[in-house]
Amino acid sequence: NAGVTQTPKFQVLKTGQSMTLQCAQDMNHEYMSWYRQDPGMGLRLIHYSVGAGITDQGEVPNGYNVSRSTTEDFPLRLLSAAPSQTSVYFCASSPPRGDSNTEAFFGQGTRLTVV
Amino acid sequence: AQSVTQPDIHITVSEGASLELRCNYSYGATPYLFWYVQSPGQGLQLLLKYFSGDTLVQGIKGFEAEFKRSQSSFNLRKPSVHWSDAAEYFCAVGALSFQKLVFGTGTRLLVSP
Repeated sequence: NAGVTQTPKFQVLKTGQSMTLQCAQDMNHEYMSWYRQDPGMGLRLIHYSVGAGITDQGEVPNGYNVSRSTTEDFPLRLLSAAPSQTSVYFCASSPPRGDSNTEAFFGQGTRLTVV
Repeated sequence: AQSVTQPDIHITVSEGASLELRCNYSYGATPYLFWYVQSPGQGLQLLLKYFSGDTLVQGIKGFEAEFKRSQSSFNLRKPSVHWSDAAEYFCAVGALSFQKLVFGTGTRLLVSP
């Protein structure tokens, strides 16, 4: 059981380039989300999805696109990378309803540098 | 809007000493509250969570946290810190269990010999 898998682990982009951060989970979780982590700011929600075909914006969505064609995958697209998007990106998944036996699972992160 | 405040950016504790990390939240209804730990270069691991019921919550690695509604706090405690506890700790609040988590800015714990 792999959990939440993010690829790549590291990436360097030039300003203006586009790329897709991949996130896959094998736990059949309906809920998936993307966060970015910046020094001194904790994690901030970029986009989230409550199921295949349904996505919505989080706190910091500008410059990012998402889609959810399958339950397993939730890719994050940077349309035109900017230095302000230099960050560590985390994908997370969880069941739709939380209880004492559930939790959100986070991937290992993708460290992105935009030069 | 939800918010989480972790007032301590860094804390240094001697090995074997007790630990308390502070967390205050702002939320209009009964919150779902969480503590996560992040080791350098790693993802986040859930230490414990509060959904409802007993306000003293036990977690993994000997950690516990107490939900105090009157103080809007959810402080994390450990009676005796080990060197392996050195990491960054994040408090988070969720409106719908694990969905749309709002994180604090984190507290970095340093453990001195």
